[in-house]
Amino acid sequence: GAGVSQSPSNKVTEKGKDVELRCDPISGHTALYWYRQSLGQGLEFLIYFQGNSAPDKSGLPSDRFSAERTGGSVSTLTIQRTQQEDSAVYLCASSLSRPPGTEAFFGQGTRLTVV
Amino acid sequence: SQQGEEDPQALSIQEGENATMNCSYKTSINNLQWYRQNSGRGLVHLILIRSNEREKHSGRLRVTLDTSKKSSSLLITASRAADTASYFCATDGGSYIPTFGRGTSLIVHP
Repeated sequence: GAGVSQSPSNKVTEKGKDVELRCDPISGHTALYWYRQSLGQGLEFLIYFQGNSAPDKSGLPSDRFSAERTGGSVSTLTIQRTQQEDSAVYLCASSLSRPPGTEAFFGQGTRLTVV
Repeated sequence: SQQGEEDPQALSIQEGENATMNCSYKTSINNLQWYRQNSGRGLVHLILIRSNEREKHSGRLRVTLDTSKKSSSLLITASRAADTASYFCATDGGSYIPTFGRGTSLIVHP
């Protein structure tokens, strides 16, 4: 596609339910990142995929969070047993390659509200 | 994790004035990037400067990098109302994973 696509754009869920957030990166981009941003805050790194390598999960805040990337393309971020503190905008980005570092292209994000 | 911190947190200027934002970081980097965010959603990449570069220009944007002071600045010249946004620096701390600060909120009054 022309850009990084995220769905849904907005999600309201009840506390305790599971949610899945989807990211379609730019075709050919081997690197994919998930971040989350709470109101008025910076971006918090969650997880990083690079090609077929094992993902860097060092930013996941708890074991309720998981992500996968199928076929080196689409990625799904899953939050189990959602809590109110999970409310945030979840942003996905992709880039061409890791070294020497290239610009990341961001999707418009998914605004998650846990009620 | 290593993170850039922008300064000031908020900046309010008149159209036509220059806007300067600063970023400080803690550990060695491979590159530093600046992004703009409108309305709290997707970020747009503005400029990337590598650790062996000292200055880069792109249109009305000028970025400097001082690795000895672990700091960078973003200058927007002749600002416009459309420049109103939040600006973030992202550093990679040698890992190539961009980590972001809390940003500078810029308001340009017409």
